Amino acid sequence: TQLLEQSPQFLSIQEGENLTVYCNSSSVFSSLQWYRQEPGEGPVLLVTVVTGGEVKKLKRLTFQFGDARKDSSLHITAAQPGDTGLYLCAGADNSGNTPLVFGKGTRLSVIA
Amino acid sequence: DTEVTQTPKHLVMGMTNKKSLKCEQHMGHRAMYWYKQKAKKPPELMFVYSYEKLSINESVPSRFSPECPNSSLLNLHLHALQPEDSALYLCASSQEDRSTAYGYTFGSGTRLTVV
Repeated sequence: TQLLEQSPQFLSIQEGENLTVYCNSSSVFSSLQWYRQEPGEGPVLLVTVVTGGEVKKLKRLTFQFGDARKDSSLHITAAQPGDTGLYLCAGADNSGNTPLVFGKGTRLSVIA
Repeated sequence: DTEVTQTPKHLVMGMTNKKSLKCEQHMGHRAMYWYKQKAKKPPELMFVYSYEKLSINESVPSRFSPECPNSSLLNLHLHALQPEDSALYLCASSQEDRSTAYGYTFGSGTRLTVV
């Protein structure tokens, strides 16, 4: 069974600070996705990373896929209150025969 | 249309009631999913439909009964639920269950309260 471990589980920071969220596994994934979920809403896909070592930027968010495709990180620069939410990473296995595996999430709170 | 639409948004039901949750997408996605999410927890997979056939049932109690009438619609029929079944029920779709590069599109969910 593939597992994705996310850290930290909870993070509370001041507006303007930087932060990094990690998603780690002992398994290789063919792709990894990051979602953000706000209270009372469904998760929204932020990015998909496919190639080992890949880096993608989405405004103040930087996503990286590890060289071995076992881990990923999400870095937020100058966090804003609007970044508050649950950040979920999800991985697809190499066989493509199983649904996405979700991590337990990182709950981020950005205080103005 | 790039959305997954879920109805109703909120539902309160008694333990003896029968109700249904509905999910609709018009993106041509051939895989659809039901997830259950408790407060402050990640989504938990319940069912997967691929090309309108049930492909995965994650040992969900029979009081939850999924149905896929066509490629755009997914229902979840509820009967004799328990208060602990209260949760946010999320529907999602993807191009196909073997697609790894595109991710899932989630609906906004149905907030279910069982009294």
